[in-house]
Amino acid sequence: GAGVSQSPRYKVAKRGQDVALRCDPISGHVSLFWYQQALGQGPEFLTYFQNEAQLDKSGLPSDRFFAERPEGSVSTLKIQRTQQEDSAVYLCASSLGQGAIQPQHFGDGTRLSIL
Amino acid sequence: AQTVTQSQPEMSVQEAETVTLSCTYDTSESDYYLFWYKQPPSRQMILVIRQEAYKQQNATENRFSVNFQKAAKSFSLKISDSQLGDAAMYFCAYRSGGAQKLVFGQGTRLTINP
Repeated sequence: GAGVSQSPRYKVAKRGQDVALRCDPISGHVSLFWYQQALGQGPEFLTYFQNEAQLDKSGLPSDRFFAERPEGSVSTLKIQRTQQEDSAVYLCASSLGQGAIQPQHFGDGTRLSIL
Repeated sequence: AQTVTQSQPEMSVQEAETVTLSCTYDTSESDYYLFWYKQPPSRQMILVIRQEAYKQQNATENRFSVNFQKAAKSFSLKISDSQLGDAAMYFCAYRSGGAQKLVFGQGTRLTINP
């Protein structure tokens, strides 16, 4: 596709349920990022992949958060035993490579609401 | 850790006029990059302009320009001839030369008055 695609666009879950959020990066993009954006705040980094390798997961808030990119393209962010504080917009971004001049292209995000 | 501060939660400007959004950052590094992103209500973050710290010349993209003051750690965005389509949240972001992740500020909501 032309841009980064995320699904679902909206997700409502009950506290304690597991959720999975999907990101389809731009074709050929090596780098993939997940960010969490709380209401009225700037995005905060969660994790980064280069191809299938997860090179930085320093932003994952707890061991309930898990991300994978097994074939170096589509990525899934999984949140286990969701809690109300997990409610946020989850943004995925991809870039062509590691170079600093390569901008990150963002998807529309998934708005997660935990009841 | 690096931090990015946007001290103006909201700004407004008359259509066709000029507005400046402020951003300061804190870092001990010499190699880094700075960005301004725009996030319209549809949520998709769009890159507006970027600046490499080693470049002294301020970046310009059409109606958008920056005032990069490295010693003061300041990176403001100037929007000239404001248009209704410029209305959005604007985020300042920092990237270390040795890392991939972006560190964002809290954002400034820009309103354009017709």
